[in-house]
Amino acid sequence: EAGVVQSPRYKIIEKKQPVAFWCNPISGHNTLYWYLQNLGQGPELLIRYENEEAVDDSQLPKDRFSAERLKGVDSTLKIQPAELGDSAVYLCASSLGGENTEAFFGQGTRLTVV
Amino acid sequence: GIQVEQSPPDLILQEGANSTLRCNFSDSVNNLQWFHQNPWGQLINLFYIPSGTKQNGRLSATTVATERYSLLYISSSQTTDSGVYFCAVEGRSNYQLIWGAGTKLIIKP
Repeated sequence: EAGVVQSPRYKIIEKKQPVAFWCNPISGHNTLYWYLQNLGQGPELLIRYENEEAVDDSQLPKDRFSAERLKGVDSTLKIQPAELGDSAVYLCASSLGGENTEAFFGQGTRLTVV
Repeated sequence: GIQVEQSPPDLILQEGANSTLRCNFSDSVNNLQWFHQNPWGQLINLFYIPSGTKQNGRLSATTVATERYSLLYISSSQTTDSGVYFCAVEGRSNYQLIWGAGTKLIIKP
């Protein structure tokens, strides 16, 4: 069974440019998470979806970040415009949902903004 | 909110040694997970353990929910065990994972 798939693995962009990350969760997983991880730190939640509904986006910087999960399966996270401080690893995770919150992570997208 | 503290922050061991990593949390939790982040950045599930003891090969974990801590045991360490070990707990008020700062483990050959 395939795990959580993210693309691209690496992305280098100039500041003020837009960027998008894609995530396909484990089949059958209703809950999807986007995390940001800075070097030497633990992951920080950006947004959590239950099916297609964003149930926790309190940590998402909505002035420049947006996310969607239109059909309740795969998801896209966008940054527009990117800033130097957005350089980090963006991680996607999924879990079955409901009382089962065991999270499984993708390999992440390493973003470098120059 | 819930505070999660991991200790030690850094650990350097020779191959073959055993180690114990600790995770303390400040309030009751629904669940607790241990992850290993390898040097390539991949977060790998180790244990999903709200209470009790689980074992998987050379690794085992024990969570004592009433005393608000969990321990991860690594026996006969191998160089591939190197990386950062994270503990994450799920608070009772929401389904958000609260992460510790991690324990960086280096296993020397």
